[in-house]
Amino acid sequence: EVLLVESGGGFVRPGESLRLSCAASGFTFRSHWMHWVRQAPGKGLTWVSRINYDGTDSNYADPVKGRFTISRDNARDTMYLQMDSLRVDDTAVYYCARGATTVAFLDSWGQGTLVTVSS
Amino acid sequence: SYALTQPPSVSVPPGQTARITCGAKKIGSKTVHWYQQKAGQAPLLVVYDDSARPSGIPERFSGSNSGNTATLTITRAEAGDEADYYCQVWDSNNDHLWVFGGGTRLTVL
Repeated sequence: EVLLVESGGGFVRPGESLRLSCAASGFTFRSHWMHWVRQAPGKGLTWVSRINYDGTDSNYADPVKGRFTISRDNARDTMYLQMDSLRVDDTAVYYCARGATTVAFLDSWGQGTLVTVSS
Repeated sequence: SYALTQPPSVSVPPGQTARITCGAKKIGSKTVHWYQQKAGQAPLLVVYDDSARPSGIPERFSGSNSGNTATLTITRAEAGDEADYYCQVWDSNNDHLWVFGGGTRLTVL
């Protein structure tokens, strides 16, 4: 069974940093692209970032470019999202998701971790 | 960037057919994927590649995609189908972005 477990969320002030983790199990982690998707309170899903199989390539949504960094450790079956210079509008539940083998969609999701940015 | 338009809400009586649309220019030239998100839960993939169903998803869920509109169809709607539904495409021509629609709240009543 595919299992994705996010951790690291919490309450921070604007301008501070936070690192999220996503621990994967039940599948060959290194064989899948991985993604972060967020959902602001009461809002829809917004794709944030993705990373390729070995961590050598990544993409970011415009609102987080230059502030967030995605990475992975295939030896630990874990993906990370380093979030710097956090803003109030970064407040959201952050989901970790597995990319399908065709890369076009996300076939498994974690339960999410809440990040609250407030002064 | 590529934008996907969904109606905010759709209502259907139990046992009837619900249709949720996802509109964009020439969306028929892309493959569309659909996710179901029940209250307080993570999203769940219900249709991929326009019309394929993952293992465990009932046959009542189906999808189509042509022209400027993709459609998720849920036949014999049940109370348990109440959820937010999101369409998604991979905009491979634009810096490889994964784009979601704004979501549609399905009410079965």
